[in-house]
Amino acid sequence: DAGVIQSPRHEVTEMGQEVTLRCKPISGHNSLFWYRQTMMRGLELLIYFNNNVPIDDSGMPEDRFSAKMPNASFSTLKIQPSEPRDSAVYFCASNMDSDNEQFFGPGTRLTVL
Amino acid sequence: SQQGEEDPQALSIQEGENATMNCSYKTSINNLQWYRQNSGRGLVHLILIRSNEREKHSGRLRVTLDTSKKSSSLLITASRAADTASYFCATARWGGGADGLTFGKGTHLIIQP
Repeated sequence: DAGVIQSPRHEVTEMGQEVTLRCKPISGHNSLFWYRQTMMRGLELLIYFNNNVPIDDSGMPEDRFSAKMPNASFSTLKIQPSEPRDSAVYFCASNMDSDNEQFFGPGTRLTVL
Repeated sequence: SQQGEEDPQALSIQEGENATMNCSYKTSINNLQWYRQNSGRGLVHLILIRSNEREKHSGRLRVTLDTSKKSSSLLITASRAADTASYFCATARWGGGADGLTFGKGTHLIIQP
């Protein structure tokens, strides 16, 4: 299995631009999680889905952030408009809802100038 | 917000020595997990302990959980240079895979050859 796949691995953009991060979970997994990691705040849960349905989006910082999971094999996290304080590494993780262990992707390093 | 707090924040030891990291959390949990993150990489699950367990072993890893003190410790015995990484504890409120994790800020472990 290829593991959780995230793209792009690195993104550099200018303030005000729209940014879309993509995630392909491990085949057969039915829960998907988006986390953000910064030096100041550590790892934070942004949102998670179960069977493609958003379950908890209380960690999404503000309305500029949105996430979708149109099918079991694809999810996006969109930031519009982006701001410098959104600079972070964004991780996607997936698992089976019968299993507590989460499998993480390699992350997308986002830099907003 | 970060529920888990690890200490120490950084730990440097000689190869072959044992490394102990501690984690505290604030709310009730179903389980506590430890993850490792190598520089620039995603997180890898190491071990899980449930709220009704007090100690668990996996290879060179030993984890303890004290729910009365809301704390956990991770012991790595006979450390190796390859153990150099950041280690995070993560708590799950409900158990089952469809539950986002709350991470601590991590302990950066350096194993000196």
